[in-house]
Amino acid sequence: EPEVTQTPSHQVTQMGQEVILRCVPISNHLYFYWYRQILGQKVEFLVSFYNNEISEKSEIFDDQFSVERPDGSNFTLKIRSTKLEDSAMYFCASRQTRKAGELFFGEGSRLTVL
Amino acid sequence: KNQVEQSPQSLIILEGKNCTLQCNYTVSPFSNLRWYKQDTGRGPVSLTIMTFSENTKSNGRYTATLDADTKQSSLHITASQLSDSASYICVVSPYNQGGKLIFGQGTELSVKP
Repeated sequence: EPEVTQTPSHQVTQMGQEVILRCVPISNHLYFYWYRQILGQKVEFLVSFYNNEISEKSEIFDDQFSVERPDGSNFTLKIRSTKLEDSAMYFCASRQTRKAGELFFGEGSRLTVL
Repeated sequence: KNQVEQSPQSLIILEGKNCTLQCNYTVSPFSNLRWYKQDTGRGPVSLTIMTFSENTKSNGRYTATLDADTKQSSLHITASQLSDSASYICVVSPYNQGGKLIFGQGTELSVKP
C-alpha cells in the first residue's frame, strides 16, 4: 500500500540552527501539507502546497518556515533558525485531489530543540 | 472561532465492550468531518470521512454519526480490541479550505484485557 514517508524520524538540534525535514508523498498525489503537534497538544495546520506554490498557511508558518518541492518527489519543510518552541512532531500529508478525499499522513518527524 | 471539542478526554474500557466518543464543533460552514486514529508517536490514520449531507458512515467496527444541525458527531466502536487503544481524533475541514483541517484534542482510549 502506498504511503507517505518522512525523514528523519527524530532530530535533535541546537537553538538557532537550521533544520530540514523531508517527506516523500504518495506518487500520484498533487496536494501536500505540513502539520505539527506539540507534545500533549492538538495537531495544527502549518501549510498547504499545490502546483509548486503555497496555497494556504497558518499564522504559525512565519518567515522562519519555508517549504519546497525541489525534485518532483521530495517535499521539504525548512526551519531557518530553530527556537525551543519549535520542538514538536511534524507530520507531512498528501492528497490526490483538493476535495473531500482521504488525506494520508506520514509517521512524523520528531524535532527536539535544545 | 473555528473549534473542535471532544469528550471524554480519556476512556478506559474492557476488551470486547462497546464505546462511544463525542465531538462538538463550531466550524461553519464545513466541507467534511473525519475521524482519525492515532497511535502514540505515529501519524493519524483515517477511519471515516463524512460530508455535511451524510448522517452515518461505517468502517468495520467503527461507526461515525453526524448531526450537522447540532454540530455534533460521534464515533462508536463495537467489540473493542486491545489494538484499539489509541487517541481518536475528530477533524473538521472548513468549507473550501482544502487541507486546512481543524483537529480536536482527541480522546485517549485504553482497552484493558
